[in-house]
Amino acid sequence: SQQGEEDPQALSIQEGENATMNCSYKTSINNLQWYRQNSGRGLVHLILIRSNEREKHSGRLRVTLDTSKKSSSLLITASRAADTASYFCATGAGGTSYGKLTFGQGTILTVHP
Amino acid sequence: NAGVTQTPKFRVLKTGQSMTLLCAQDMNHEYMYWYRQDPGMGLRLIHYSVGEGTTAKGEVPDGYNVSRLKKQNFLLGLESAAPSQTSVYFCASSYESWEQYFGPGTRLTVT
Repeated sequence: SQQGEEDPQALSIQEGENATMNCSYKTSINNLQWYRQNSGRGLVHLILIRSNEREKHSGRLRVTLDTSKKSSSLLITASRAADTASYFCATGAGGTSYGKLTFGQGTILTVHP
Repeated sequence: NAGVTQTPKFRVLKTGQSMTLLCAQDMNHEYMYWYRQDPGMGLRLIHYSVGEGTTAKGEVPDGYNVSRLKKQNFLLGLESAAPSQTSVYFCASSYESWEQYFGPGTRLTVT
């Protein structure tokens, strides 16, 4: 079963606007990761946030993690047409999980030029 | 560095046929994974390996077998393909429990 649920399922914005995607999960985690998938391609890792971190930045990406609410958000600022893709959150349990990740169903982001 | 490569990129099988998907990585990663992705869904873990000679079941292992004879290769086998195995298959590798690096995928259709 899917650990993460993402919201919204689809998001359509104009270039230059900010895009926010949310992810909720059910069980305790060691880390949470965000991946991007362009149409017909493999997934590309964007950012990893550990369970003891609350916020992390990477370029135009900002990720927050609230372990008390079992939720995370990914903010893409000043979006570009090239950001059009599907975005997935994935949770890792750590310990003896051997790096296994459980993926959400993804958010399809469309950025219009 | 090629990263993670998958062979073949596309394949069409008839029900009952068998095939092997090959995944190779040149990053010296210990951990390797096989996922399937179905329309509108995230990735589901089929099998994984934490080192040469070791394999373990993931979330949806039925109908698949795997082998990790060499550290850099992870093979996924379908012994008797079924239409329900029509999917896009992704291989990934990682250094311990950190970010995973994905291959480009294999699109499999079973008729």
